[in-house]
Amino acid sequence: GAVVSQHPSWVICKSGTSVKIECRSLDFQATTMFWYRQFPKQSLMLMATSNEGSKATYEQGVEKDKFLINHASLTLSTLTVTSAHPEDSSFYICSARDPGTGDNSPLHFGNGTRLTVT
Amino acid sequence: DAKTTQPNSMESNEEEPVHLPCNHSTISGTDYIHWYRQLPSQGPEYVIHGLTSNVNNRMASLAIAEDRKSSTLILHRATLRDAAVYYCILRDVRGGNEKLTFGTGTRLTIIP
Repeated sequence: GAVVSQHPSWVICKSGTSVKIECRSLDFQATTMFWYRQFPKQSLMLMATSNEGSKATYEQGVEKDKFLINHASLTLSTLTVTSAHPEDSSFYICSARDPGTGDNSPLHFGNGTRLTVT
Repeated sequence: DAKTTQPNSMESNEEEPVHLPCNHSTISGTDYIHWYRQLPSQGPEYVIHGLTSNVNNRMASLAIAEDRKSSTLILHRATLRDAAVYYCILRDVRGGNEKLTFGTGTRLTIIP
């Protein structure tokens, strides 16, 4: 079945550095991918919608200059957390839908990236 | 997406059926009812979805009330691996709206 792969699964970085997270659709092409963030004991919050070949759409309150999204191909979207700070420590999850399976087909999620900023 | 209401937590004994309720009194005619679950330290995974009729798949069954204002996810025989947070989500796909809005979900604990 359709698979979404995320890399890395965890990363630790120092405050002030940038971290790039990759999200790949392994056996389908995704013109749209979604990036979520999840803090401990909380639900998933949508951060942005990544659109292949065009600018990402950010949810209210999400800084587009801090969370850079690049969707350069139909199988890859990247999220870069720039100048990371401890409050950016969270679980980042991407998802995508296989457009070849109908308008109401389910979303497939990656296994998440746990970011810890020290 | 319209709002759903679920209990914060539930417990069930292993090998017994589990009924997870979800209320969605403001559901519209074009909203599908989707269920996802999230195991610890993993991304969510799709469980089942439906519109009006009850649905069955290898993972679970979905019972939808006649007025569609509530639904129940049924795990027929719970195992320890079913311990997860279960999310009930309404999804209106008109106009190509694909994103999912997650509520707080129900944390299911399975007792050995």
